Amino acid sequence: NAGVTQTPKFRVLKTGQSMTLLCAQDMNHEYMYWYRQDPGMGLRLIHYSVGEGTTAKGEVPDGYNVSRLKKQNFLLGLESAAPSQTSVYFCASSSMAEQFFGPGTRLTVL
Amino acid sequence: GEDVEQSLFLSVREGDSSVINCTYTDSSSTYLYWYKQEPGAGLQLLTYIFSNMDMKQDQRLTVLLNKKDKHLSLRIADTQTGDSAIYFCAESSAQAGTALIFGKGTTLSVSS
Repeated sequence: NAGVTQTPKFRVLKTGQSMTLLCAQDMNHEYMYWYRQDPGMGLRLIHYSVGEGTTAKGEVPDGYNVSRLKKQNFLLGLESAAPSQTSVYFCASSSMAEQFFGPGTRLTVL
Repeated sequence: GEDVEQSLFLSVREGDSSVINCTYTDSSSTYLYWYKQEPGAGLQLLTYIFSNMDMKQDQRLTVLLNKKDKHLSLRIADTQTGDSAIYFCAESSAQAGTALIFGKGTTLSVSS
């Protein structure tokens, strides 16, 4: 039982490049989330999903897209990376009460 | 809108009790949470409390909830150097599934 896993752990991009972050959970949770964490800030919600095939915007969705084609996976895409997207990205999944986080992906955009 | 506020720093001596405070704005939050984050690591769920409870105790951790004042606190008894970390308070959002609204975090520093 791995919980929530994220790949990759680290990535450096150049401005304008694209990439996809993968989140996987093995707890059969319906809800999944992508957050970003910036220095001195709490986590802010980018996008979320309440079930397979559904996605919705969170607090800071601009510049990101997501897909939830399978229940266990939640993908976060950056189509054209910008330096403002340099951050640590956390994926989470939840049952009704408990929300579990992955280890994070540290992304730097030059 | 929804907002969660925390003090930014707390410094205690080993063996003392630590109390981290938090205020929130959304009175409809079902659950309130405390997470711990160590340097370079993800978030570890420490404990959570259902909104109709006043107190929850779990080993060295005690959570107090004052729903009238929208105030949440986390007390760590017999604080150890291994408790040094950032502690985040969070409330469940009424508008985004069960997504969490986080405070900016309280850095707890424990000196021996």
